[in-house]
Amino acid sequence: EIVLTQSPGTLSLSPGERATLSCRASQRISSGYLAWYQQKSGQAPRVLIYGASSRATGIPDRFSGSGSGTDFTLTISRLEPEDFAVYYCQQYGSLPYTFGQGTKLEIK
Amino acid sequence: EVQLVQSGAEVKKPGESLRISCKVSGYRFTHYWIGWVRQMPGKGLEWMGIIYPDDSDTKYRPSFQGQVSISVDKSISTAYLQWSSLKASDSATYYCARHILDYPPHIDSWGQGTLVTVSS
Repeated sequence: EIVLTQSPGTLSLSPGERATLSCRASQRISSGYLAWYQQKSGQAPRVLIYGASSRATGIPDRFSGSGSGTDFTLTISRLEPEDFAVYYCQQYGSLPYTFGQGTKLEIK
Repeated sequence: EVQLVQSGAEVKKPGESLRISCKVSGYRFTHYWIGWVRQMPGKGLEWMGIIYPDDSDTKYRPSFQGQVSISVDKSISTAYLQWSSLKASDSATYYCARHILDYPPHIDSWGQGTLVTVSS
């Protein structure tokens, strides 16, 4: 199965700063077969980005996704207080459709 | 509006059986893959498997194959996750999730989660 490794494990930043989250795959993933989710404490996840770079409905444009092959990035251009949460990448390149272990974005 | 509503929290003993449910509304149940995701306490998301309700085609993550069973009842637009003999390590929150597998694939809707606690 494809293993997704997210880094860093925890990212401590302040509101207004830029966040860059990484997701690296153990095998090449076909273009567009990667999604990003946000999970806040006690809540179900929600999709932010699919197709590696397409924002889901209702997601602010401060969220952007990029990458191809084995290296993918989620960027939050200017952090708002509500953005502090855990972020997961998920691949659909091959079954099983695995998740990364998550990056916790915390307030510095 | 698409909704996935899961059954309530469960407390069980090791060795007992359990079936949790996910009732969907707001879309044609048979036209979308639906799957289950495990989240153990304080841990990340683990993809368990998916089922296509129209023909019950099911795909399991190998580590969950034989440990759980995923099924549907098309007549009541409900998906199920079932255990025949629970272990303490099955304690987790389980989410059902509607999968879009047409390009670009992703999960677009989630249930609220069902907390399963297995303890003697």
